[in-house]
Amino acid sequence: QSVLTQPPSASGTPGQRVTISCSGSSSNIGSNSINWYQQFPGTAPKVLIYNNDQRPSGVPDRISGSKSGTSGSLAISGLQSEDEADYYCSAWDDSLNGHVVFGGGTKLTVL
Amino acid sequence: QVQLVQSGAEVKKPGASVKLSCKASGYTFANYYIYYLRQAPGQGLEWLGVISPGDATTTYAQKFQGRVTVTREMSTRTVYMELRSLTSEDTAMYYCARVYGSVVFDPWGQGTLVTVSS
Repeated sequence: QSVLTQPPSASGTPGQRVTISCSGSSSNIGSNSINWYQQFPGTAPKVLIYNNDQRPSGVPDRISGSKSGTSGSLAISGLQSEDEADYYCSAWDDSLNGHVVFGGGTKLTVL
Repeated sequence: QVQLVQSGAEVKKPGASVKLSCKASGYTFANYYIYYLRQAPGQGLEWLGVISPGDATTTYAQKFQGRVTVTREMSTRTVYMELRSLTSEDTAMYYCARVYGSVVFDPWGQGTLVTVSS
């Protein structure tokens, strides 16, 4: 059971806007930043959003992140077929001397 | 460019140990923590251990305490992860990843598949 809670699946049609939620607690998201990763089958994850809402260079601005309280979300607008992938959230957790925690992942399907 | 290159796939029998490597290039090796994480087939991500290459200090996930050791070799800019007493539940893709800022994993190695089977 993952510490951070994500929906196992999400879907949308090309051009739509989809959001993926990530729910935690006061010891992780409530007091630390959320990072989001994108993973295609057979490849390593890649950072998509860091520090809640920052995009690394090369990530298009149709992808955004936000955080409020103990939850965060990843939004993808203008959905494209190449967005079909698995998405994971992570954050630092201050409990147990501090450690990183992950969500269970959300599989995004472009219909 | 910043790059992590991992060793090749391994097949081990239950009860055996495996030692994986992760070679870093393109940045000051001593200045960034390196994590080892894994992903079982169809599952999510979990971390096993982390090392500070500069002073070799390590921290291990509670789940793997006593069964995992992460070390580094400065001359070759390589981090090693040894996992002992393997069972079928250790079958997974193992990744190393550099960390910066608020525990942002970037980049990741390409992964090493470890298969545990009798």
